[in-house]
This record gives sequence, structure tokens and C-alpha cells, in this order.
Amino acid sequence: TQLLEQSPQFLSIQEGENLTVYCNSSSVFSSLQWYRQEPGEGPVLLVTVVTGGEVKKLKRLTFQFGDARKDSSLHITAAQPGDTGLYLCAVSPQTGANNLFFGTGTRLTVIP
Amino acid sequence: DAGVTQSPTHLIKTRGQHVTLRCSPISGHKSVSWYQQVLGQGPQFIFQYYEKEERGRGNFPDRFSARQFPNYSSELNVNALLLGDSALYLCASSSILTSGSYNEQFFGPGTRLTVL
Repeated sequence: TQLLEQSPQFLSIQEGENLTVYCNSSSVFSSLQWYRQEPGEGPVLLVTVVTGGEVKKLKRLTFQFGDARKDSSLHITAAQPGDTGLYLCAVSPQTGANNLFFGTGTRLTVIP
Repeated sequence: DAGVTQSPTHLIKTRGQHVTLRCSPISGHKSVSWYQQVLGQGPQFIFQYYEKEERGRGNFPDRFSARQFPNYSSELNVNALLLGDSALYLCASSSILTSGSYNEQFFGPGTRLTVL
């Protein structure tokens, strides 16, 4: 079983549409991070959420951490082709170390 | 400032061979982690080094090893390559070791390894 399940696995939408991707787990986490990875590059951190129920906004991206700190969502408003990429959620499951455990990822394609 | 750099960018090997991948962290960062990303999946943690000592190890066989040098650069070695080792190998650096809400890891572009 996956520690972090992301859905949907693939998403293809037209430019200007809105979308939401999800990251779910049965475990509780002290914090959760969202990354975006573009082809040929490594993941880049978008946001870290730490408080249950927290909502953070980054331009057209809205991130929410579940009240129980077991799940998170990423909502994109008016998607643009530049939003195309692999969206990954990640947590640090080990204390005393900062290695990351990544979810399965959502591959988003925004069609012009 | 330069980001995390990795070399080579691409590599093709045959089964049974050995490979060495290299990583230079961001200047001032003392922690380096290695991840394997198989096509279509999220990165999977392999090793973490801090101040030249191994501080974490993922669920990988002993064919995988790594080390960190005094200048904090790192090498990942894989022996007896298998077809299933084909993947993007990512290196990430961070300034501190302990887990925390604001402990950001910075990733390099990766080395694409193909095993034939």
C-alpha cells in the first residue's frame, strides 16, 4: 500500500479551466509539501503546509491541509500551459532526518 | 548562485556493469540525499548523508552505495546493474539535517540512467 495516494493520476484540461488534485493518506503528518516537476528537471517546492485546516495561496494555486492532517488538496484556477507538469505531494516520515516520501504524482497537461 | 548540479545528465549501461553518479550541493549545504524516480512514479528515497556520514537509508539492496566528500559533494554507486535500475536519479541538498516544517530540499536535474 502507498503511504501517499494522489488522484487523479493523469489530468488533461483546456487552458482556462479549473482543477483540483488530491493527496490522501491514512497516516497523520506534522507537515506536507507540494512539488512540481517539469520534464528534464528535478522537483521544485511549491509550498509547505503545517497546520490542520491551513489554506495557502500562491498566485492561482490554492493549497489546503486537511483538518486531521492526513490529506491535502491543490486547486488551480484558470490553468495555463505553463502549469503543465508532474505534481507531487511529499512528507518527512522519519524524525531526525529530512528525507522525503513522495506520493504517486498527478501528471497535468494544460492544452492551449 | 549555482543550484544543485549532477553529472552525467544521461548514461547508458548494460546489465552487470557498475555506475557512479555525482552530485554537487548548493554552496553551504551540508546534507545530500539521493532519490530514484522510475518512469511514471514519484521519487523514492535511497540515501541521505550529512557531514560525510550516512544518516538515512531507504529500502534498496546493497548494490547501492554512496559517500559524501569533505567538500560535501556526493557519489552514488550502483553495482551489478539490473534492467530495473533504469530510472532518473535525483540528488537533493539542504542546509540542515533535522526534519521540520520549513526544511526545504533543493533538487538537481537528475541523471537519466538506462540499463540495456
